Amino acid sequence: NAGVTQTPKFRVLKTGQSMTLLCAQDMNHEYMYWYRQDPGMGLRLIHYSVGEGTTAKGEVPDGYNVSRLKKQNFLLGLESAAPSQTSVYFCASSSRGSGANVLTFGAGSRLTVL
Amino acid sequence: DAKTTQPPSMDCAEGRAANLPCNHSTISGNEYVYWYRQIHSQGPQYIIHGLKNNETNEMASLIITEDRKSSTLILPHATLRDTAVYYCIVRVALTGNQFYFGTGTSLTVIP
Repeated sequence: NAGVTQTPKFRVLKTGQSMTLLCAQDMNHEYMYWYRQDPGMGLRLIHYSVGEGTTAKGEVPDGYNVSRLKKQNFLLGLESAAPSQTSVYFCASSSRGSGANVLTFGAGSRLTVL
Repeated sequence: DAKTTQPPSMDCAEGRAANLPCNHSTISGNEYVYWYRQIHSQGPQYIIHGLKNNETNEMASLIITEDRKSSTLILPHATLRDTAVYYCIVRVALTGNQFYFGTGTSLTVIP
């Protein structure tokens, strides 16, 4: 059981380049989330999804776009990367109902924007 | 969601119980207390949650005061592998929307 898988694990971009982070979960979870974590800080919610075809903004959505075309996948896109987006990105998922707040996280994707 | 307050850092001797406090004085009657931890740069890991009663699982115990304004996460026999940042979060159950992490408590287990 893989749980939550994030690809790629590491990426270096130049300012202005675009990229997509992929999150895949095999637990049939309804809810999925993208967080970023900067050094010495807690996690901040970027976007989340409560079901296939739906997305919503979190605390820090600017500069990012997301899509949830399939229930098991949640994509995070950077259209024009900026150095301020250098961070570790975590994806998470959870089930509906009483398990809604029990999040399962991926291992993280470390992004550096030069 | 109710705001939580945690000390920024704590130390604990290996083999002793680690008691991590959390204040949530504005908690509502339908809000649960959740605890997560993050070891080094891994993704956070769910530990335990509770509403009113004390809870225990294979990882930890959660003690919630009678007025529910504070709680304590107890790691009964701390090991070096328990060194991590511990997050206390108050949430209404059954919701799958925004779930916020603060800065947590950095626990260092000392040999």
